[in-house]
This record gives sequence, structure tokens and C-alpha cells, in this order.
Amino acid sequence: GQQLNQSPQSMFIQEGEDVSMNCTSSSIFNTWLWYKQDPGEGPVLLIALYKAGELTSNGRLTAQFGITRKDSFLNISASIPSDVGIYFCAGQRRGSNYKLTFGKGTLLTVNP
Amino acid sequence: NAGVTQTPKFQVLKTGQSMTLQCAQDMNHEYMSWYRQDPGMGLRLIHYSVGAGITDQGEVPNGYNVSRSTTEDFPLRLLSAAPSQTSVYFCASSYGNVPGNEQFFGPGTRLTVL
Repeated sequence: GQQLNQSPQSMFIQEGEDVSMNCTSSSIFNTWLWYKQDPGEGPVLLIALYKAGELTSNGRLTAQFGITRKDSFLNISASIPSDVGIYFCAGQRRGSNYKLTFGKGTLLTVNP
Repeated sequence: NAGVTQTPKFQVLKTGQSMTLQCAQDMNHEYMSWYRQDPGMGLRLIHYSVGAGITDQGEVPNGYNVSRSTTEDFPLRLLSAAPSQTSVYFCASSYGNVPGNEQFFGPGTRLTVL
């Protein structure tokens, strides 16, 4: 199946630091989505991106749809303890019958 | 709206037993899907449905059956449980025809097969 390479696998940061994670693929995607999963819960949608080059913010979160349409990144500014969780990227390709391909996730730990 | 609901939240089965994981949504979403989440593997698509009466296989369909008799419900059946099916199962739904198929997830079912 299609692969999304998400990095880093895990991050340990201090409260107040900025965080950056990204997803890359060898395939072109029409949509990039970023989800967050809290322990014991289902993933929750954070940001959706629909156009190449699009830059979208949601509070302290900023995500961009890469110009080549093969990558996306998510930045979190001024991290706080409740940012802890697993962050997933997901992409949808044209002709995929609405199926999403997910990255393997980035586990974020924030030390107070 | 309750969103996407899943039952049970936890389940322990013995090898060879069968069971059905329930999923329901009250958002009138056409698209529904089942994923399994295993450590280090991310979310893998098992089966999906683009509307009532229509289902299709995802990335890892073996050992699972689905049906979609109504828009609201999308149960996942394990025919003969195996230890390899120990996982966390998530159901998701969306309108499907919007540009990004933004899927909403249920809280998950944690299944252990002994």
C-alpha cells in the first residue's frame, strides 16, 4: 500500500519549546490532514489542507501543504503539557475512493 | 449529536470465538470505515463503505467481515478470532464527498484475543 513517512517517531521537549514534525511520500496527495490522539482516545482532527502551498493555523498549530504535494509539516509553538499525545498525518490521493493513508505517528512528550 | 459511538470499549476473546464490534454515527455521514491500530504501525484500513449497501476492502481485510444495511451503522465481525487480531479498533465516518474526507473517529474498542 501507499506509504507516508512521518518523522520524527518521538520527541521529548520542554514546556514552552516549539515543535516541528513532517510527513513525506513518493506519491502526490490532494489533501493532507493532521490528527492528534490522546491516550485511550480516538484521533481528533486538528487541521485540514486542500491546496499545494496552503498554510493554515489553528491556535498554536500551523500546518503547510507542500508545493510538490508530496509532503506536509505541522508546527506547534510554545508547547504546553496538554500537547502530549500522538500526532498523525493522513493524506488522500485522487481516485482513492475517499480512502485516507496514515503516517505511523509522532509521539510527543512535553516536560513541565 | 453523539458523533461516532463504538461498543464495547473493551473485549477479551478466546481463539476461535466470533464477535461483532458495533459502530454507529448520527451525523448522516455516507462514508464509514474501520481501522486497526497496532504499536508502531499507525492506523491501517480494514474495510470501508461509501454508502448503505456498499462495502469494500481496505489494506488488511482478512479475518473480518462488514455490512452496511443502514447509513447509521457499520458493524465489524470477527469470524474466528486469532491472537494476531489483538489490537485497538477504530471506526470513523465522514461526508465522503467533501474535498478532504475529514473523518471523525470513535473512542475505540480494545480487543485482546487469548
